[in-house]
Amino acid sequence: GIQVEQSPPDLILQEGANSTLRCNFSDSVNNLQWFHQNPWGQLINLFYIPSGTKQNGRLSATTVATERYSLLYISSSQTTDSGVYFCAGVSNDYKLSFGAGTTVTVRA
Amino acid sequence: DAGVIQSPRHEVTEMGQEVTLRCKPISGHNSLFWYRQTMMRGLELLIYFNNNVPIDDSGMPEDRFSAKMPNASFSTLKIQPSEPRDSAVYFCASSYHPNYEQYFGPGTRLTVT
Repeated sequence: GIQVEQSPPDLILQEGANSTLRCNFSDSVNNLQWFHQNPWGQLINLFYIPSGTKQNGRLSATTVATERYSLLYISSSQTTDSGVYFCAGVSNDYKLSFGAGTTVTVRA
Repeated sequence: DAGVIQSPRHEVTEMGQEVTLRCKPISGHNSLFWYRQTMMRGLELLIYFNNNVPIDDSGMPEDRFSAKMPNASFSTLKIQPSEPRDSAVYFCASSYHPNYEQYFGPGTRLTVT
């Protein structure tokens, strides 16, 4: 599988702040997903975004496939946004490889 | 749709016992994946099936691990005999195709004492 590098590893935000999470991948991808793992351990699908830009409420994501990176934007953060955000990509071997995650803590 | 269903949600067993984890994928999905999550290694793919056929099991850690998919709506991951280092959260996921969006079940938290 590909190598996926996420930054930053940890992020502490004040409620209402905006933030950007980054994901770099070592090879071209056919599938790029962002997940949120909530405090109960559930992996929630945020975006399926092999290229381009998508928005869903206060979250948006952009993948620049030619430069092998993806960004996740969180605007007006809320305490419910706390958790671990994972980026994962699939290359030609059809294996979804995960980054180490960014742990986000939003303080009231 | 009910999403990916996994059972049990929690399993506590003693070293040496056989453990069987179960998964029901989303109806209509042709690909099924088993993952393991640990603090040390993060989320890693163990094995995946396409149209009920195992395609890549290179992530299965040892011969103690085996997985089957007897039909399109059911898969099992078996550990025999279990060891304390197998303690982890095991996720099942499904998709229409490995390149398409994968959807994860709630996971099974396995503790081997």
